[in-house]
Amino acid sequence: GAGVSQSPSNKVTEKGKDVELRCDPISGHTALYWYRQRLGQGLEFLIYFQGNSAPDKSGLPSDRFSAERTGESVSTLTIQRTQQEDSAVYLCASSSPGTRSNTGELFFGEGSRLTVL
Amino acid sequence: AQSVTQLGSHVSVSEGALVLLRCNYSSSVPPYLFWYVQYPNQGLQLLLKYTTGATLVKGINGFEAEFKKSETSFHLTKPSAHMSDAAEYFCAVEVYNQGGKLIFGQGTELSVKP
Repeated sequence: GAGVSQSPSNKVTEKGKDVELRCDPISGHTALYWYRQRLGQGLEFLIYFQGNSAPDKSGLPSDRFSAERTGESVSTLTIQRTQQEDSAVYLCASSSPGTRSNTGELFFGEGSRLTVL
Repeated sequence: AQSVTQLGSHVSVSEGALVLLRCNYSSSVPPYLFWYVQYPNQGLQLLLKYTTGATLVKGINGFEAEFKKSETSFHLTKPSAHMSDAAEYFCAVEVYNQGGKLIFGQGTELSVKP
C-alpha cells in the first residue's frame, strides 16, 4: 500500500494476556519507529529500527515489551502479560534517510488501539 | 536533553480568527523542529518543519511557524481558522544524532467554533 499500515486497528484483551501488534512500513523506508499515545497525553517513544543496525530500545517501559523487525520490512510489537496501564494507541511510523541524522518526515500509521480489561 | 513544551492542552477559536499554538523547546544543539497534526481517527501528518535557513516556515493548509532562537520558541499560526482545522497538534524536536527520533510535546487540541 501507499502508506504505513497497522493491524489490528482495535484490540481488546484481558489483563495478563499477550498481544502482538503489526506494522507494515512504506516500501523503501529504512527507519521504523513505535510510539505510544495514552489518552490525553503526548506521544511516548518506544523503539526505533534503522536498517541492519541494533535497534534503539531506550523507550520500552518494561521487559514485557519487545519488538522485532525483519530486514526493512514488517515490524511486530509484542506486549506480554498485559496490564491495564498498557491501554493506549500504539503508533508506528517510517521514514527514509535524509541529511543530518536521518532528518526525514515521519509517516505515521493510523495506530492500533489497545484496551486491557 | 532535548524537549518541547506546548502551552495549553486545549485552544478554542472562532472560525476566521487567528490561530496561535505555542511551543517552546530546550536544546543544547541547533534544533530541528516539527509540527504534526492529528485529525480524528487518523494518523499524524506533518504540517511543517524547520531545519536550517529561513526561520519562518510555511506548511500545508495555510499554517506557518517561526523559529525564534532568542525565545526558544516555535509557535504555530494561521491567520484565519477554518472548521476543518479542528484537530490535535503536536510540536516535536528531533533528537540529535539518534537517527530521526522525535520527542513530542503533550499536544494541543484545537477547537473551532462557528
